[in-house]
Amino acid sequence: EPEVTQTPSHQVTQMGQEVILRCVPISNHLYFYWYRQILGQKVEFLVSFYNNEISEKSEIFDDQFSVERPDGSNFTLKIRSTKLEDSAMYFCASSPRFQPQHFGDGTRLSIL
Amino acid sequence: AQTVTQSQPEMSVQEAETVTLSCTYDTSESNYYLFWYKQPPSRQMILVIRQEAYKQQNATENRFSVNFQKAAKSFSLKISDSQLGDTAMYFCAFLRLQGAQKLVFGQGTRLTINP
Repeated sequence: EPEVTQTPSHQVTQMGQEVILRCVPISNHLYFYWYRQILGQKVEFLVSFYNNEISEKSEIFDDQFSVERPDGSNFTLKIRSTKLEDSAMYFCASSPRFQPQHFGDGTRLSIL
Repeated sequence: AQTVTQSQPEMSVQEAETVTLSCTYDTSESNYYLFWYKQPPSRQMILVIRQEAYKQQNATENRFSVNFQKAAKSFSLKISDSQLGDTAMYFCAFLRLQGAQKLVFGQGTRLTINP
């Protein structure tokens, strides 16, 4: 069964540094998402992406964040000037229209 | 805005017992999807079961079934013959069918199955 693939599985970064989280969505899916889960808390929506542009973003997704689909397969989340509170699990998901979202295994981001 | 509430932060049952996890939601929309996701200690997000709001019949997937009460905005998950591998966080999630289709999650219920 096709899977959403995320790399790296764990990223450790110094505060203030930039980090790029990578995702390869399922190939025939049209909608792409990033979610965040701070340890012990619920999963929160960050951003959705469709037709090569952001379709919706949450209040969490401020100017520090950006997303990109640089080629036909990858979908990236960039966090500029990371802060301690950015430490979380970041999930990428993809879906066809009106179908359940398939999640990747997540990237654990640790900001030191 | 949609909200999802799971009122049971933790639950614990013996292996082979049946357990029901509660979920309520708030929305003004008439057509939407509801899901239960399982998150084991590895922290993957695994889809357990889905329910389309326009369907009156409750969804079932093997040992997992839901009780969907649209008027009451309630969506509970029943796990029958519980197994040790069912130990996980369970998240109820709402998906609207307008706009960007973002999932809105509840706070989760930590379920422990004891041997």
